[in-house]
Amino acid sequence: DAKTTQPTSMDCAEGRAANLPCNHSTISGNEYVYWYRQIHSQGPQYIIHGLKNNETNEMASLIITEDRKSSTLILPHATLRDTAVYYCIVRVRVRGGADGLTFGKGTHLIIQP
Amino acid sequence: GAVVSQHPSRVICKSGTSVKIECRSLDFQATTMFWYRQFPKQSLMLMATSNEGSKATYEQGVEKDKFLINHASLTLSTLTVTSAHPEDSSFYICSALDRSGRGYNEQFFGPGTRLTVL
Repeated sequence: DAKTTQPTSMDCAEGRAANLPCNHSTISGNEYVYWYRQIHSQGPQYIIHGLKNNETNEMASLIITEDRKSSTLILPHATLRDTAVYYCIVRVRVRGGADGLTFGKGTHLIIQP
Repeated sequence: GAVVSQHPSRVICKSGTSVKIECRSLDFQATTMFWYRQFPKQSLMLMATSNEGSKATYEQGVEKDKFLINHASLTLSTLTVTSAHPEDSSFYICSALDRSGRGYNEQFFGPGTRLTVL
């Protein structure tokens, strides 16, 4: 799996959009970008994933640059409950495949009231 | 998303005893489950891959005789920490692989088990 680089921590005001960057310059053509988050003392929660097109779901939007070397996770209206460590993971997505995830250090997002 | 449970959520035990942690997929069948460990202020580290009906695959540096994994059914995997010592104190998290039609190989995580060995 390709290596990812994320800022160690970020602050965001409640109600504003939180934009979390991830650099994955060595990503290969068949690797997807996944985002998970971990609220303190809980298991990780899947947020979103994408290959090359921008994706949106009820939780967030994922913007992937055209060269796929970086991406941004956007939480449109951050709330205090969004305070968590956010992990960007790059991996191959194969039907039937079964590999454990490699977690980096992630970004500790702190939502300020 | 799919629901994965873990039991117990928290356990305190004496050094030298064994502790069993259960991981269940509640609304889907999981032929593959994963066990992770997370020490304070660190990221999750994959310990082993558990496959239903076969032996688990352990990551390098994880002692298979100390961390016994059993995946006897399509909805249950157990991790037994044998002869636990204080350095085994950690947050143990499982995930289950959902291969149903709703996704390729998405992993869903349990809430974790906090183990404290005195």
